[in-house]
Formats: sequence, C-alpha cells, structure tokens
Amino acid sequence: EVQLVESGGGLVQPGGSLRLSCAASGFTFNTYWMHWVRQAPGKGLVWVSHINSDGSSTNYADSVKGRFTISRDNAKNTLYLQMNSLRSEDTAVYYCARNGSRGGFDPWGQGTLVTVSS
Amino acid sequence: EIVLTQSPGTLSLSPGERATLSCRASQSVISSYLAWYQQKPGQAPRLLIYGASSRATGIPDRFSGSGSGTDFTLTISRLEPEDFAVYYCHQYGNSPGTFGQGTKVEIK
Repeated sequence: EVQLVESGGGLVQPGGSLRLSCAASGFTFNTYWMHWVRQAPGKGLVWVSHINSDGSSTNYADSVKGRFTISRDNAKNTLYLQMNSLRSEDTAVYYCARNGSRGGFDPWGQGTLVTVSS
Repeated sequence: EIVLTQSPGTLSLSPGERATLSCRASQSVISSYLAWYQQKPGQAPRLLIYGASSRATGIPDRFSGSGSGTDFTLTISRLEPEDFAVYYCHQYGNSPGTFGQGTKVEIK
C-alpha cells in the first residue's frame, strides 16, 4: 500500500523553527517528485514547495521563499521541510503529497498541524 | 500565477441529484493539466480527476471531468451520501501550481 506519514508538527513561537518529516512507503520513493501543501484552519489548499526525484531541483511559494527548505533522503524514503523564522500566518496543517504518476498529487499524507503562537 | 475561481461556493443538493461544479482559470491551463480533489472534514484531499477528464484509480464513474483552456467542470451524476464534501480544482501545468478556493457540496 502506498503511504505517506507526516510528523514533526507542534506549537512554536513566532520566529522559531520546526522540521517536518514525511515517511514514504509502498512505492519507489526515489523516482517521484514530492510536494508540501498547507491548509490554514478553515481555509483552502496552498502549494508550498516541491523537490525533484534526486533532490537536485527545488521550488517554493513566494510566501515561504528564503525561510523554508525542502529536502529528501532517498536512502531513508523520507521528505523534509525545514521551517525557519516562522510567522503566525504559517499556522496550518501541512500535507506531503506525491506527484501523481499521470498527473495531480496522489496520494496525500494525513497532515501535521503547525501552530505558530506566543 | 494562474488564479482558479470555483463556483458556486456552496451547492445544496439532495442525494440522487446531479452536481455541476465549475473552475475558471485566469489564463489557459497548459495541456489541460487540471485536477480535482475531494476533501472531507478532518481528512486529507483525495485525487478524483487528473488531466481534466481522467478518473484516478478507484474513483467511481459517477465522477467525470471536462473542459480545456480556461473553463473546467466536475460533474457528479448522482450524489451518494458519501459525496457530500468540499471539492478543489488544481492546475499543475504552470509554476507555481495553484488551487481554487473550493466548492462545498452540502445536503439540502
């Protein structure tokens, strides 16, 4: 079964840092692009970042550029999101998602909640 | 970036009725790289449609997608109780990928 499991969310003060992880199983991780998407409470979906299959190319939404870093460890089948200089507007559920074999994002992890508050 | 506008915001229908959801893009979506997702409360989104009209694995055939260019539609032919949820369109042809704001399909 293809599965993505996020971890690492929690409560952090403004200006703080957090690292999210996404453990992948059930597929050949090192052949897929991967994404992070977030959803603020009661709001819609917003793409955050993606990384190509070997980790050599990344891209970010303007709202997180320079603060967030996406990376992957293909030996550990794990995707990461390092989040620095966190702001209250970064509060959201963060999902990792696999690039669909034929399009779209499929599947998605269950999400991990990040709350930025003093 | 491409802005996706979904309408209506909320659709109130009864089980067995037909649902028609619209997604309009601010500019043409490359190669019909448009997807639709279903999201239920407390759950992750689930891919329904990719490439504007292809059903994802395991998706019932009551779900269908159509459209090209800037206008896309998701149709649910006969609503089942489990179909009441929020639906998002998503274009992944232009960077950055963008999502619509969602359409909530609620029980009338």
